Amino acid sequence: SAVISQKPSRDICQRGTSLTIQCQVDSQVTMMFWYRQQPGQSLTLIATANQGSEATYESGFVIDKFPISRPNLTFSTLTVSNMSPEDSSIYLCSVVAGKASYEQYFGPGTRLTVT
Amino acid sequence: GNSVTQMEGPVTLSEEAFLTINCTYTATGYPSLFWYVQYPGEGLQLLLKATKADDKGSNKGFEATYRKETTSFHLEKGSVQVSDSAVYFCALSSYSGNTPLVFGKGTRLSVIA
Repeated sequence: SAVISQKPSRDICQRGTSLTIQCQVDSQVTMMFWYRQQPGQSLTLIATANQGSEATYESGFVIDKFPISRPNLTFSTLTVSNMSPEDSSIYLCSVVAGKASYEQYFGPGTRLTVT
Repeated sequence: GNSVTQMEGPVTLSEEAFLTINCTYTATGYPSLFWYVQYPGEGLQLLLKATKADDKGSNKGFEATYRKETTSFHLEKGSVQVSDSAVYFCALSSYSGNTPLVFGKGTRLSVIA
C-alpha cells in the first residue's frame, strides 16, 4: 500500500483567488491522479499527473484552470485557479501501488469552500 | 467506454441486518473491480477487490464476487453494525492496471441501533 498526505486538509477561499494543493506519497509511484468530488457526488477524474511531462486532462478540465505539477515520483500539486463557488469540492489525489499495480490508494482529500 | 452503475441510496438498515448493494459494470476486456468506503468526513479507503472472473474479494465481513456472466460485483455483509454507516463506491479499472478508476455514484448506508 501507500501512505498519502495532502495539504491543506481544508480551506475557505474567496472567489477569484487560487489555491495550490499538495500531495505527498511515502514511496515512489508511477501513476498519480487528481479527482474532484463535488458535494454529495461521486468522484470525477480531473487529470493524470505525469512525472517529467504535462498532465493529461479529462474532458471538461483544462490546464489553465487546474495546472498540475509533478516534479518527482513522490510529489504533485494541483492548483485551482480563479476560483468560483462552483469549485467548492473535495479534491483527492490517488496513486497506483501494490504488487500487481492495480490497487489505487487515496489521500485524505482537501475540502475547498469558495465564497 | 467503461461505466459503473450502482443502486441508488440512501439505504437504511437496522443493526445485524443483511446488506446488499448492487453494482453492475460495462467494460471492454477484463477489468479489475473494487469497492471503496468513505466514512463521514474522511477520504476513500479500499475495502475489497477482485481482478478476475469468479474471484471473491472480502474484508471486514464484506464480500463481493466478480461475476463476468452478469457483469456484476454486488457488495454483501451478513450482519451490519452502526460503524458500517458510510458511503460505498463501486469502481473498475482496465485490465492493464495503472489506469484511473471509473466510479459508480455511491450508495449511502445508514445503520441504526
